Amino acid sequence: DTAVSQTPKYLVTQMGNDKSIKCEQNLGHDTMYWYKQDSKKFLKIMFSYNNKELIINETVPNRFSPKSPDKAHLNLHINSLELGDSAVYFCASSRGQGQYGYTFGSGTRLTVV
Amino acid sequence: KQEVTQIPAALSVPEGENLVLNCSFTDSAIYNLQWFRQDPGKGLTSLLLIQSSQREQTSGRLNASLDKSSGRSTLYIAASQPGDSATYLCAGPSNSGYALNFGKGTSLLVTP
Repeated sequence: DTAVSQTPKYLVTQMGNDKSIKCEQNLGHDTMYWYKQDSKKFLKIMFSYNNKELIINETVPNRFSPKSPDKAHLNLHINSLELGDSAVYFCASSRGQGQYGYTFGSGTRLTVV
Repeated sequence: KQEVTQIPAALSVPEGENLVLNCSFTDSAIYNLQWFRQDPGKGLTSLLLIQSSQREQTSGRLNASLDKSSGRSTLYIAASQPGDSATYLCAGPSNSGYALNFGKGTSLLVTP
């Protein structure tokens, strides 16, 4: 059983479109995250949610809107996609503030053309 | 703000060598540090998690140490194999918690 699963794995879309990435974890964790890995492979936090409440929003454009319907799911919706949004997006989860470590999904490679 | 730095950025070694990857962090109040491995085009695999109360953690040929006073962690890989070729990332909790701050990684190539 996959612990943190993301769909889709690959996403190719045109500029201006709206797209969503879904994430689910079956670890019983109460905190979930979205990270962005840019072309230089640097990983940066975008959002974190604890018990469905937004905890961190790291100066991400308003076009990015996360939604957590329950503790096991954190989805990312992106409006009006731009070329610069092309990256790999990783979902992760942890118990609390990550005192026991983080588990990452396999990533969604988004390409905006 | 917690900043994490990894040296070297890239490393190439022949198979069988022992090697050390370095990670430094700015906030000594760190409560743990986690090492990950990332293969090309793949996700992150957790290798070792060291709590602040520990000085070392071992898993197979991997040994990670944590020295809060000097703001350093090292990942030691014994008897390296070509299958160890990957990018190794270290990450520490942000000042506010609820996020990890990553280094830029060390790209390791082990040649047969």
